[in-house]
Formats: sequence, structure tokens, C-alpha cells
Amino acid sequence: RKEVEQDPGPFNVPEGATVAFNCTYSNSASQSFFWYRQDCRKEPKLLMSVYSSGNEDGRFTAQLNRASQYISLLIRDSKLSDSATYLCVVNSGDTGRRALTFGSGTRLQVQP
Amino acid sequence: DVKVTQSSRYLVKRTGEKVFLECVQDMDHENMFWYRQDPGLGLRLIYFSYDVKMKEKGDIPEGYSVSREKKERFSLILESASTNQTSMYLCASRRGQGGQPQHFGDGTRLSIL
Repeated sequence: RKEVEQDPGPFNVPEGATVAFNCTYSNSASQSFFWYRQDCRKEPKLLMSVYSSGNEDGRFTAQLNRASQYISLLIRDSKLSDSATYLCVVNSGDTGRRALTFGSGTRLQVQP
Repeated sequence: DVKVTQSSRYLVKRTGEKVFLECVQDMDHENMFWYRQDPGLGLRLIYFSYDVKMKEKGDIPEGYSVSREKKERFSLILESASTNQTSMYLCASRRGQGGQPQHFGDGTRLSIL
């Protein structure tokens, strides 16, 4: 089983739609969680951190469910510019020196 | 704002050549990382470093080595390039331990002919 698993998609949604991605992780000791966004042929960029109580940044909401070991990303009122691959990222909670573990990504295509 | 700079955006080399990929960060981050990214395989960690002159193998270190002589610079070396090392190479840095996110450079698209 992969440490971090995501549905690869693609998720094809119309502009204005609400879309949600889930991501599961296998290490129950994981302590830090992030969502990154990666555009085609570009580097991953931090979208938002995920906090235990859930957090919101504009149209984006991230949630953490430790009991079920998954995190989610909700995008409201989708824009064409939201089209990208969204990477779920987990810190395994060891000494912290280890790199973050990246999921393979979920591709979102927002259509006009 | 964090700046991670990779020396080349595109690079073409020949089989058997020794290849150097350079990465510099300007935020005094302790941790630096090298990944490669291939279609369908996601990001795979090659090597990382948590301090000057310190290095640890990642998940796919074979065929690579690294050098961290200064805190701000982390170099990836392909000792004898092979065609299966054609890939997108991404450098990242991160402050401290645990809960901090990683910041990536623009990436180097390396083609080995």
C-alpha cells in the first residue's frame, strides 16, 4: 500500500462547480499535512497547510480526519484557472528530517 | 518570499557523461532535497540533506550522488548518465523539522541521448 494515495482523476467539472478531493495516508503517526498545486510542466507550489481543526482560504477548504487517516480539499465556485494537479502531502512524523511524502496527484480540469 | 533556484531549466547530455545539477536557496533553510518526477510515478526522492556535508539516501539514490559544501547549495550529480535518467528534476528546501512545507525550484528538464 502506498503511503499517500489519491484518485488520479481527471475530475472534469464545469465552471462554478464545487469539487472535492480526498487523500488517504497510511502512517498514523503523521503530523503535518499540506495540499500543493502543480501546473503542467511546472514545479509544485504550496496551496495550503491542513490543520487539525480544518481551515479555509477563500474558495478552498482543507480538512483532516485523523481517525480515518484522510485529508480533503474542497474547491468552491471553480474557475478555469483552478485546472491543475493537486498533490496531497504528508509528513510522516519521524525526526522531521525526512522529506515530505507526496501523493501522485489528482488532476482537475475545469471546463467553460 | 522563499527563492529556490536551479541552474538550468533545460539540459541535454549524452550517455556516459557526468552531469551536475545545481540548486541554491536564499532562506537559510537547513533541509534540501532532490526529486525526480516522471509521468505516472509522481515525485520520487533521490537524496536529501539536513545540514552542511550531511546527506541521506532517498528512495531512488542509485546512479546519483550529492554534495552540500555550503548551506545554501545542494548539487545533484549523475556519475555516468543513462537514458533512464531522462526526467524532470526538482530541488526543494525546507526550514527546520516537521511541520514546515517544502519550497521547490522551477525544475530542470534533463534529456539523456
